[in-house]
Amino acid sequence: GQNIDQPTEMTATEGAIVQINCTYQTSGFNGLFWYQQHAGEAPTFLSYNVLDGLEEKGRFSSFLSRSKGYSYLLLKELQMKDSASYLCAAMDSNYQLIWGAGTKLIIKP
Amino acid sequence: DTGVSQDPRHKITKRGQNVTFRCDPISEHNRLYWYRQTLGQGPEFLTYFQNEAQLEKSRLLSDRFSAERPKGSFSTLEIQRTEQGDSAMYLCASSDGTGDTDTQYFGPGTRLTVL
Repeated sequence: GQNIDQPTEMTATEGAIVQINCTYQTSGFNGLFWYQQHAGEAPTFLSYNVLDGLEEKGRFSSFLSRSKGYSYLLLKELQMKDSASYLCAAMDSNYQLIWGAGTKLIIKP
Repeated sequence: DTGVSQDPRHKITKRGQNVTFRCDPISEHNRLYWYRQTLGQGPEFLTYFQNEAQLEKSRLLSDRFSAERPKGSFSTLEIQRTEQGDSAMYLCASSDGTGDTDTQYFGPGTRLTVL
């Protein structure tokens, strides 16, 4: 079957760094997406990885290891506005997104 | 490019009533997706259009749900004889269906409450 696993909730301190992990199992693989979702709002696109390695985009970076079925999202210099849910989604061989349940990130001052 | 829009943003209805939601994708995006999301869960795939053709529909979707995209632009999602379990956020997303990335961009969602 197809499955995405990510922690339910994480807590971090303003100004610190946090890493949100995601493991996936899909029928075929066409890339790994990370989305940010604030409470009551729609998901917004953060990053896409299809090749192994690290993609850096400002304070956010995303890493992929295809052989391990593993990705992480790294958030640096945390700000209070980063409090949100972070959704990991893998694209399968039919180009459909398989979604995780999301990781709720709580930032404390 | 005004982004994906959805209407209404909120809908409260009584059990047994029919409801219809509208989604306007980003212009020239040929793929359109409908998802349902409940609290603490990721989006659950409902159905997907490539232009006006409905290419896939979730096996979990009952026959009370129907979607259309008559001219390959906007789409409607209708739920007949609503049940309390239909209460959720209904999300629409679109993508341009080209290139390797095919990133989906979401609208603000329609929050349905069935009383």
